[in-house]
Amino acid sequence: DIQMTQSPSTLSASVGDRVTITCRASQSISSWLAWYEQKPGKAPKLLIYKASSLESGVPSRFSGSGSGTEFTLTISSLQPDDFATYYCQQYNSYPWTFGQGTKVEI
Amino acid sequence: QVQLQESGPGLVKPSETLSLTCTVSGGSISTYYWSWIRQPPGKGLEWIGYIYYSGSTNYNPSLKSRVTISIDTSKNQFSLELSSVTAADTAVFYCARYKGLNAFDIWGQGTMVTVSS
Repeated sequence: DIQMTQSPSTLSASVGDRVTITCRASQSISSWLAWYEQKPGKAPKLLIYKASSLESGVPSRFSGSGSGTEFTLTISSLQPDDFATYYCQQYNSYPWTFGQGTKVEI
Repeated sequence: QVQLQESGPGLVKPSETLSLTCTVSGGSISTYYWSWIRQPPGKGLEWIGYIYYSGSTNYNPSLKSRVTISIDTSKNQFSLELSSVTAADTAVFYCARYKGLNAFDIWGQGTMVTVSS
């Protein structure tokens, strides 16, 4: 299985901050990486697919980059609604696997 | 727009079979791939498997011996069965649409299943 490792596990930030979350794959996954946002008691929501493509309806302050084994999710200016847990997921090889999550808190 | 809704018992006894159904509304199930994903309380996400409308399946090897995913295109539903459950299978179960390039683009709200006697 491909292991996905996110860092940091928890991130403390303020409204307006630029936030970067890193996701590393244990082997190359090309650009087959997605990012999701999950709020307490809710289902995950797709933000980014194919490493850098913004899902329709997602604010442009979210962006993704990377390929191979190292990827980043950036929030250019953190908004109150962005305090949540973020997961990366690879869909290059079965079984599809998720990172352990990064909680963004105040 | 396409919506997914999970349904099924919220409590299952150890050693029994967990059964859930996902109903797809606002669109046809006869395209794309349809998945189950679970999340134990306070933990991360685990992909269980998917089914294509043709009936072809792919399961996570960690659960393969206990999982069956089936589809009923006439009802626009797909289902999950997980056998021989233990307390470790307690989780929120989500159904989701896998749209290929777009990964899991639509999710159900999730349903909590507790394994307990």
